[in-house]
Amino acid sequence: GNSVTQMEGPVTLSEEAFLTINCTYTATGYPSLFWYVQYPGEGLQLLLKATKADDKGSNKGFEATYRKETTSFHLEKGSVQVSDSAVYFCALSEATGANNLFFGTGTRLTVIP
Amino acid sequence: EAGVAQSPRYKIIEKRQSVAFWCNPISGHATLYWYQQILGQGPKLLIQFQNNGVVDDSQLPKDRFSAERLKGVDSTLKIQPAKLEDSAVYLCASSLEYNSPLHFGNGTRLTVT
Repeated sequence: GNSVTQMEGPVTLSEEAFLTINCTYTATGYPSLFWYVQYPGEGLQLLLKATKADDKGSNKGFEATYRKETTSFHLEKGSVQVSDSAVYFCALSEATGANNLFFGTGTRLTVIP
Repeated sequence: EAGVAQSPRYKIIEKRQSVAFWCNPISGHATLYWYQQILGQGPKLLIQFQNNGVVDDSQLPKDRFSAERLKGVDSTLKIQPAKLEDSAVYLCASSLEYNSPLHFGNGTRLTVT
């Protein structure tokens, strides 16, 4: 079946630190992979996505590369800001778009000044 | 464009009572989803509509949960009777088409006492 395993949180970083949040997946076929972000008091927002192996999704300084050989989609950012404090969810979908999403448990990031 | 609207924002009920949640998707979005997010877990799909027809309700506990999407626009999700384990955030999402990116509402936080 389909599942997503995410790095346990919470993660606390100082401003301008490097961020990595690990995500691995199990899926049948060739899923699309996503990172969603949930800021305090707000709904889930799509941060970035990749639809095939070796694709790199990027947005707002965040990047993640679809690694089929390691079934991973780790989220990275070179220099985090206080405004990046949020909960980050890795997710997969069997469809090319964002059909039924299977989510990881989420990783809470807190960035301190 | 206006986002996905959900109400109420919060709801507290006693076990065995009934409760209903409402969702208004983004105008023109044909696909509507209800997700359940239990504290510490990622969202899990309950039901997916395409216009006013059900595409997937395999994870919906049909003995107590029901959902409808009359006229292919607004949707309501009902729980009757509620159990303690139904305490969660109920998220509504919509997408333009079957394989388009999902847009999430802010959710309804349900507490069952």
